[in-house]
Amino acid sequence: EADIYQTPRYLVIGTGKKITLECSQTMGHDKMYWYQQDPGMELHLIHYSYGVNSTEKGDLSSESTVSRIRTEHFPLTLESARPSHTSQYLCASSESGVRGYTFGSGTRLTVV
Amino acid sequence: GESVGLHLPTLSVQEGDNSIINCAYSNSASDYFIWYKQESGKGPQFIIDIRSNMDKRQGQRVTVLLNKTVKHLSLQIAATQPGDSAVYFCAEIHPGDDKIIFGKGTRLHILP
Repeated sequence: EADIYQTPRYLVIGTGKKITLECSQTMGHDKMYWYQQDPGMELHLIHYSYGVNSTEKGDLSSESTVSRIRTEHFPLTLESARPSHTSQYLCASSESGVRGYTFGSGTRLTVV
Repeated sequence: GESVGLHLPTLSVQEGDNSIINCAYSNSASDYFIWYKQESGKGPQFIIDIRSNMDKRQGQRVTVLLNKTVKHLSLQIAATQPGDSAVYFCAEIHPGDDKIIFGKGTRLHILP
């Protein structure tokens, strides 16, 4: 069982609301990632972090922001949710020097 | 651009038969490849990996084949079971970079 947790699992929220998707891992991994998964199943990297106070944008432009104040915690925030943000968001982590990720179960976000 | 892709978005296989899922990659410099399995409502899970200095690697009921000449990767699942129903992703990692590039995914349906 993966020790990386995402909450909530499902979220339905109105347009304009601010939301934060939580991701926590108990493995002490330095590196953490956020992916957006579209209905066609493809995974797009939107944010990553290689350690505390380090965050970078991924390959897919996103209006979301992230923070990494603690090693185990990598939350993603949308200041003003829109229907175009409706998607599955997956968090992952990896250990330095180890190639390959451990994924959380994801948050399915629906903005109405 | 460089990408990892799968030949078929959907594959249907009779229970008990062998499944073969194919993937083509474009970056000849990639030196590490991973197959992930994503079941409904879950995040991707590591199945098997292979380094570019290998042609074949076997796990429990799964085999990954790598053909560097034609930049082709395949996942073979022996005696397919209902629990194998999932979306399968191939992924590549570039040397010196821990970011994973995922393909589009193949959904495997198991027919009774």
